Amino acid sequence: QKEVEQNSGPLSVPEGAIASLNCTYSDRGSQSFFWYRQYSGKSPELIMSIYSNGDKEDGRFTAQLNKASQYVSLLIRDSQPSDSATYLCAVNIRGGYQKVTFGIGTKLQVIP
Amino acid sequence: DAGVIQSPRHEVTEMGQEVTLRCKPISGHDYLFWYRQTMMRGLELLIYFNNNVPIDDSGMPEDRFSAKMPNASFSTLKIQPSEPRDSAVYFCASSLATRTGGYGYTFGSGTRLTVV
Repeated sequence: QKEVEQNSGPLSVPEGAIASLNCTYSDRGSQSFFWYRQYSGKSPELIMSIYSNGDKEDGRFTAQLNKASQYVSLLIRDSQPSDSATYLCAVNIRGGYQKVTFGIGTKLQVIP
Repeated sequence: DAGVIQSPRHEVTEMGQEVTLRCKPISGHDYLFWYRQTMMRGLELLIYFNNNVPIDDSGMPEDRFSAKMPNASFSTLKIQPSEPRDSAVYFCASSLATRTGGYGYTFGSGTRLTVV
């Protein structure tokens, strides 16, 4: 089992729809969870962080965390073509807030 | 702030040559990370530093790789000798720790390394 698992996609959604990106992780002791967006040929960019169970909203983005199920998700409302990118889930594994392991990333395509 | 600065942006070298990648973290950040990204394996942590001290180098693939952080504003990743399988994008990232958790990383633009 990989430490951080994501479906590599591509996930295709029509413009204006909700995109739902999912991630599971292996370490029950994990406490820090991040979503990064990476455009093709660019570096990853932090878009959300979450540390407690529940939802955290920031504009069109909502991060959801369920530690009991070891599951974290990212919802993008009113998806735009500019949201087309690879979304990387990152989780601290085996202690230490600062050391995170990245999933392989889910490629999102928003169709105009 | 100019962000995390990496150099060079691209590097093409012949197998067996020494390669040195450079990174300047964001001023005030106390953690620095070196990652490698490939299509097959994604982002892999190679090594990270806290206050210039190496904390975990378990991701360094073998003795051909070494990293240093002589001061708070500069770090290098060296590969000697380089091999074609080292071809990847190498990212440097920095972050600032808090008592409740990190702020997340700020990545540099990366160095695309090609070993022929």
